Amino acid sequence: EADIYQTPRYLVIGTGKKITLECSQTMGHDKMYWYQQDPGMELHLIHYSYGVNSTEKGDLSSESTVSRIRTEHFPLTLESARPSHTSQYLCATSHGELFFGEGSRLTVL
Amino acid sequence: QQQVKQSPQSLIVQKGGIPIINCAYENTAFDYFPWYQQFPGKGPALLIAIRPDVSEKKEGRFTISFNKSAKQFSLHIMDSQPGDSATYFCAASKGYDYKLSFGAGTTVTVRA
Repeated sequence: EADIYQTPRYLVIGTGKKITLECSQTMGHDKMYWYQQDPGMELHLIHYSYGVNSTEKGDLSSESTVSRIRTEHFPLTLESARPSHTSQYLCATSHGELFFGEGSRLTVL
Repeated sequence: QQQVKQSPQSLIVQKGGIPIINCAYENTAFDYFPWYQQFPGKGPALLIAIRPDVSEKKEGRFTISFNKSAKQFSLHIMDSQPGDSATYFCAASKGYDYKLSFGAGTTVTVRA
């Protein structure tokens, strides 16, 4: 069982706002990931990290950025949100298998 | 380019039926094939996974069949129950980095 916490669970904001989606884990796992999920579509890897100060872009190009200053936290930031960023963002860690959080559903008006 | 193709998009079965979901992949370097189950409002959860050294794996009522030569794998849900109603995703990756490529998902509805 993995403990991954994502906040906020739901967020509705206007275009141009800066937002940060928080992801924290209590297991001390080094590897963390952000996936983007749209209805009826596959999950796409947008960012991953193999440890502190390590971040890489995933297979799907994203305007978001991430940071990994502490093992427990892997926040995702959008500097200027647009309607095209409306989606569900899922944080995950891996240790023998991939564990997902419950997701942050972002709506940009 | 979608690396894992999943079908059908949705299916409905009666309680006790056997829904079957199929996936195909192109990258022969893939060597880890998990299935995830997702309920509304929740993140995906690992259901069962297989590596290409075996052709079948069972865990409870869930079975993965794997055909390496055809680059296909499938999920069977035996004696399906209404509580199995969920969206199921197949995925694939190489090695242990867990940078998974996902299928588009199959919504399974089991009617009582």
